[in-house]
Amino acid sequence: NAGVTQTPKFRVLKTGQSMTLLCAQDMNHEYMYWYRQDPGMGLRLIHYSVGEGTTAKGEVPDGYNVSRLKKQNFLLGLESAAPSQTSVYFCASRLTPIEQFFGPGTRLTVL
Amino acid sequence: EDQVTQSPEALRLQEGESSSLNCSYTVSGLRGLFWYRQDPGKGPEFLFTLYSAGEEKEKERLKATLTKKESFLHITAPKPEDSATYLCAVQGGTGAQKLVFGQGTRLTINP
Repeated sequence: NAGVTQTPKFRVLKTGQSMTLLCAQDMNHEYMYWYRQDPGMGLRLIHYSVGEGTTAKGEVPDGYNVSRLKKQNFLLGLESAAPSQTSVYFCASRLTPIEQFFGPGTRLTVL
Repeated sequence: EDQVTQSPEALRLQEGESSSLNCSYTVSGLRGLFWYRQDPGKGPEFLFTLYSAGEEKEKERLKATLTKKESFLHITAPKPEDSATYLCAVQGGTGAQKLVFGQGTRLTINP
């Protein structure tokens, strides 16, 4: 099992550009999450999904969109990137309430 | 609103010097308190889940405890490989399956 994988690992964007971050899990988990991690702020939930075809807003959803067309994939989109979206993005998935499995992260810089 | 505060922000110990990390929380109906370990450039790795006051969990040199207001992560005779950032998170009764994270404690163990 690869667990949770994220693509790409690094990306540099210019203000106003768009991009999509891909999260994939091979554990047949129902729940998937997108977080951002900033220095001194901890992990903050952007959007999450409780199953295929469903999405919901988290703590900091503005400027992001998500889609869960397939159970194993959760996509995070930035339509018009801003410098404030410079961060490290983590995807996570879980089956039970006990444990969320995290991916390795995507480091995004918006110039 | 669920909140998690971790202290100290950073802790430097000598190898073999035991200590504790603190996680204070306010939550509506605690469903679980989670401890994660995060190494630089990687995603968080699950350590423990605690569900009710008085519960304790152990893993190697780590022991997590829980009261109604806080959790402690006790580190006994640490080794340099225990150096990492330790994250605490809570899942409350509202807000459907979401975790709220603290900002983390950066632990450094000097040989």
